[in-house]
Amino acid sequence: GAGVSQSPSNKVTEKGKDVELRCDPISGHTALYWYRQRLGQGLEFLIYFQGNSAPDKSGLPSDRFSAERTGESVSTLTIQRTQQEDSAVYLCASSLEGTGKMGKLFFGSGTQLSVL
Amino acid sequence: EDQVTQSPEALRLQEGESSSLNCSYTVSGLRGLFWYRQDPGKGPEFLFTLYSAGEEKEKERLKATLTKKESFLHITAPKPEDSATYLCAVQRAAGNKLTFGGGTRVLVKP
Repeated sequence: GAGVSQSPSNKVTEKGKDVELRCDPISGHTALYWYRQRLGQGLEFLIYFQGNSAPDKSGLPSDRFSAERTGESVSTLTIQRTQQEDSAVYLCASSLEGTGKMGKLFFGSGTQLSVL
Repeated sequence: EDQVTQSPEALRLQEGESSSLNCSYTVSGLRGLFWYRQDPGKGPEFLFTLYSAGEEKEKERLKATLTKKESFLHITAPKPEDSATYLCAVQRAAGNKLTFGGGTRVLVKP
């Protein structure tokens, strides 16, 4: 089937505005991750969802960042009162849990967020 | 805190010139070490999982090895299509997230 889909692919916003990023994982994938990638850098973990368990929010950089996921479907990442340092590519990934599939994340192409 | 350091940051190779990328890590109880490839404008693509020291995995011109402190990604006789950023990541035994290194940008010139 289709891979991980993210929308929008590009988002330009003004400082102080709220933005919402969407991720459609691969059907049947129970785990979903959000990462942030600043220009020329590695991936920075934001949040992890696994089924109906409480999400691991340990990577969210401030209370301006929040994310939701309904069951094993779509997830949204919301950034309130955006700041220029929020400019980055936001990547979503999904995976099947279980031995042999551990760590094999399928990534979307990301949302390039630019805060002016 | 888990740490992953990759070197070099960038690597320019002539087609056919073999080389190795290094990934040094510190993690409290390694569950797995992962290599990903990332092309410009795209998300990372999974290459390998290594679970324990001494393990090796191969795919085409790529070979990944693991010790207790580092992993190497060997590129044998690279082709221009091997040009990409290669990312290393670790997952601890009692965790969910993958911690990524900064990546190595590889450029293979014909």
